[in-house]
Amino acid sequence: GAVVSQHPSWVICKSGTSVKIECRSLDFQATTMFWYRQFPKQSLMLMATSNEGSKATYEQGVEKDKFLINHASLTLSTLTVTSAHPEDSSFYICSARDREHYNEQFFGPGTRLTVL
Amino acid sequence: QKEVEQDPGPLSVPEGAIVSLNCTYSNSAFQYFMWYRQYSRKGPELLMYTYSSGNKEDGRFTAQVDKSSKYISLFIRDSQPSDSATYLCAMSDSGGGADGLTFGKGTHLIIQP
Repeated sequence: GAVVSQHPSWVICKSGTSVKIECRSLDFQATTMFWYRQFPKQSLMLMATSNEGSKATYEQGVEKDKFLINHASLTLSTLTVTSAHPEDSSFYICSARDREHYNEQFFGPGTRLTVL
Repeated sequence: QKEVEQDPGPLSVPEGAIVSLNCTYSNSAFQYFMWYRQYSRKGPELLMYTYSSGNKEDGRFTAQVDKSSKYISLFIRDSQPSDSATYLCAMSDSGGGADGLTFGKGTHLIIQP
């Protein structure tokens, strides 16, 4: 149980284009989902927290107009990187909180974004 | 000073050895402490979850938290080559799932057969 999937697992795009990443909780309802970014040899850094049906809360320094987050259902959250640039190339990982296991977060496998 | 400090390694030990991984932190509000294992280009997998100070054991893994020293540890007994991965400590000040987690950089562990 408590499986989180992400799609796509990797994506290469041209500078200036937008990329959408999906995060799904497969066998549980996730009231809260989190988006993290991980640069090579760096720790995961929280970007934003999204609650189903409400606007995401962004961490300081994260541009909300650039990283659009939608959490339309209890099993799906999307992160859209708008007008991507090479410096946005990173490993994006989502996690979800399980209603039953209140204090735990379950992570997806991550999406590797490369912007040319 | 970063909130969570963790030696990135690599840490290389022979198979069967006891492994000790550690993190220090500066935020005294942290109360929930987690250890994750991450294989290359994969998402983190939760290994251990502890609340406040104390020890917790699960199979070959033991997590220790010393809040007075702001120091947490993960011990792996009878280490196996399959334990080779990056181990991330993470912490939160309000229920590990309620807020985003603050992570260490991760320690790259290599178990030599």
